[in-house]
Amino acid sequence: KQEVTQIPAALSVPEGENLVLNCSFTDSAIYNLQWFRQDPGKGLTSLLLIQSSQREQTSGRLNASLDKSSGRSTLYIAASQPGDSATYLCAVGGGATNKLIFGTGTLLAVQP
Amino acid sequence: DADVTQTPRNRITKTGKRIMLECSQTKGHDRMYWYRQDPGLGLRLIYYSFDVKDINKGEISDGYSVSRQAQAKFSLSLESAIPNQTALYFCATSDRTGLAGDADTQYFGPGTRLTVL
Repeated sequence: KQEVTQIPAALSVPEGENLVLNCSFTDSAIYNLQWFRQDPGKGLTSLLLIQSSQREQTSGRLNASLDKSSGRSTLYIAASQPGDSATYLCAVGGGATNKLIFGTGTLLAVQP
Repeated sequence: DADVTQTPRNRITKTGKRIMLECSQTKGHDRMYWYRQDPGLGLRLIYYSFDVKDINKGEISDGYSVSRQAQAKFSLSLESAIPNQTALYFCATSDRTGLAGDADTQYFGPGTRLTVL
């Protein structure tokens, strides 16, 4: 059974710092991996999707990497801003059904 | 206007009541999903549908049922609500997958916070 873990559960950093969020999964047979952002009282917003054949994806200050063989993904946020404060979730897609298995998230606080 | 909408946004009900949560989307996607989110457990899949005639159980379907009334509408019902169904419920959509690329991205609604007393 696929299990997805995110460490740390919470992270507080000063504004301007570069940071890395970690996601690990137990079964390397994944179809894709997605990173989401969740703001309080709101739904999830898709940030980046990495197909299993890809190694990384970039969008603005965000860079996500994928290492299937080691069962790991990282989300790198450059020059963090207070507006980046949110819960970040990673989820792995297991096949053509696109069912997602989610981690429990990392709560990020960027201090001004 | 939001691409994926959910109604109601908040609901408080009593044990044993029947509840329906509704989801509508304007993205034209074939695939729709229902998840619940509990503190410390992340999001878990309840049901998913590939089209109006194709509905499938997810990880935690017991106590729930769904109806896909049209491509754009997917409803989740709790036939007899119980307190441990108190959670945040999300609807999501994605395009037909099987293709490489961003078609697999899932788009989420704002969620329904359900409390069962």
